[in-house]
Amino acid sequence: GQQVMQIPQYQHVQEGEDFTTYCNSSTTLSNIQWYKQRPGGHPVFLIQLVKSGEVKKQKRLTFQFGEAKKNSSLHITATQTTDVGTYFCAGTSGTYKYIFGTGTRLKVLA
Amino acid sequence: GAGVSQSPSNKVTEKGKDVELRCDPISGHTALYWYRQSLGQGLEFLIYFQGNSAPDKSGLPSDRFSAERTGGSVSTLTIQRTQQEDSAVYLCASSLRERNTIYFGEGSWLTVV
Repeated sequence: GQQVMQIPQYQHVQEGEDFTTYCNSSTTLSNIQWYKQRPGGHPVFLIQLVKSGEVKKQKRLTFQFGEAKKNSSLHITATQTTDVGTYFCAGTSGTYKYIFGTGTRLKVLA
Repeated sequence: GAGVSQSPSNKVTEKGKDVELRCDPISGHTALYWYRQSLGQGLEFLIYFQGNSAPDKSGLPSDRFSAERTGGSVSTLTIQRTQQEDSAVYLCASSLRERNTIYFGEGSWLTVV
């Protein structure tokens, strides 16, 4: 079945450093979504990417969907302590069933 | 309500007992999901409801797990004869339609002792 992997599993950065998490699917995706889960909280939607090679930005966050629509990345520029949490990608191959990635837990050291 | 509502927020139960977890999706959302998240882990798909269609139960880990959705709104996830490995946060989510933004509830934290 469809599998979605994320790397790295954990990342500790100094405040101000950049951070990137990568998402790889075993199958071609029709679209991909990114979520952020703060410690003790629930996943909150960040963005959806649909087109091959699509790039979207939200302030310091840059999201990219691969040309083959099998991978995606989230890049945070100049991390802040408020960026702490676990970032999940979630992809679907054309149905309703979103398969979530394994998540990347980000810790930002002040 | 404004968001997805789940109850109870926390449940401690003895091994072997049955538990029911309730989810009230956002009004008007036809799609409803249940996911399970063990401590520090990712989200595991359990079941999906869409309108009046037959639910996709392919993620339910065993026949001790069942779920229903009444009237296309409220959903109940039932775990029979709970085991310690069932301890996790059970997250309910809803969306307006397929492949739209998924909104999660706060989750029901289940601890089986």
